[in-house]
Amino acid sequence: IAGITQAPTSQILAAGRRMTLRCTQDMRHNAMYWYRQDLGLGLRLIHYSNTAGTTGKGEVPDGYSVSRANTDDFPLTLASAVPSQTSVYFCASSRLLNTEAFFGQGTRLTVV
Amino acid sequence: GQQVMQIPQYQHVQEGEDFTTYCNSSTTLSNIQWYKQRPGGHPVFLIQLVKSGEVKKQKRLTFQFGEAKKNSSLHITATQTTDVGTYFCAGVYSNSGYALNFGKGTSLLVTP
Repeated sequence: IAGITQAPTSQILAAGRRMTLRCTQDMRHNAMYWYRQDLGLGLRLIHYSNTAGTTGKGEVPDGYSVSRANTDDFPLTLASAVPSQTSVYFCASSRLLNTEAFFGQGTRLTVV
Repeated sequence: GQQVMQIPQYQHVQEGEDFTTYCNSSTTLSNIQWYKQRPGGHPVFLIQLVKSGEVKKQKRLTFQFGEAKKNSSLHITATQTTDVGTYFCAGVYSNSGYALNFGKGTSLLVTP
């Protein structure tokens, strides 16, 4: 079944550790996104990619990095996790940058 | 920065009552999308509005885009318990480097 897959589903991480959240889509979508969702703050864009090989910063990029080596994969890395990065992270993709977005199931990350 | 404001934050209705959520932007939108997120789930695309004054219907849901393309609304007629969830609007700005500026969402609770 075509779709977008995130891993892991949940993670408890010690502060200061490095962590990569994985995201893979098999819909051949050009655009991919990473959002974080926090209670009362809605969905906030961290980073996005217009197409393979390009990335851009969203609303809250600090402390996060991404890469887009190919069309399918868009990993999000926390270089040195801090408790304020405790959140639910959603990866999404769309055919083009401003078209219907398909979301993954989310990764619940707790930094302690 | 460009922001989409969404109200109300919460709405509690009795089953059968109507429900409306509103989104407003201070600047003109290129288009606006609506998403629904069930409790514990991920956002799911509902619809995209592009044209000034556009009205679209999906069964009991009516979506409107304002004449000035600065506001939008989602109206649900005769709510059902299956309508429970958080409804997000996501605005797209033509001069933005990225799409989908999400509102903070309206959480709908429907009691039987």
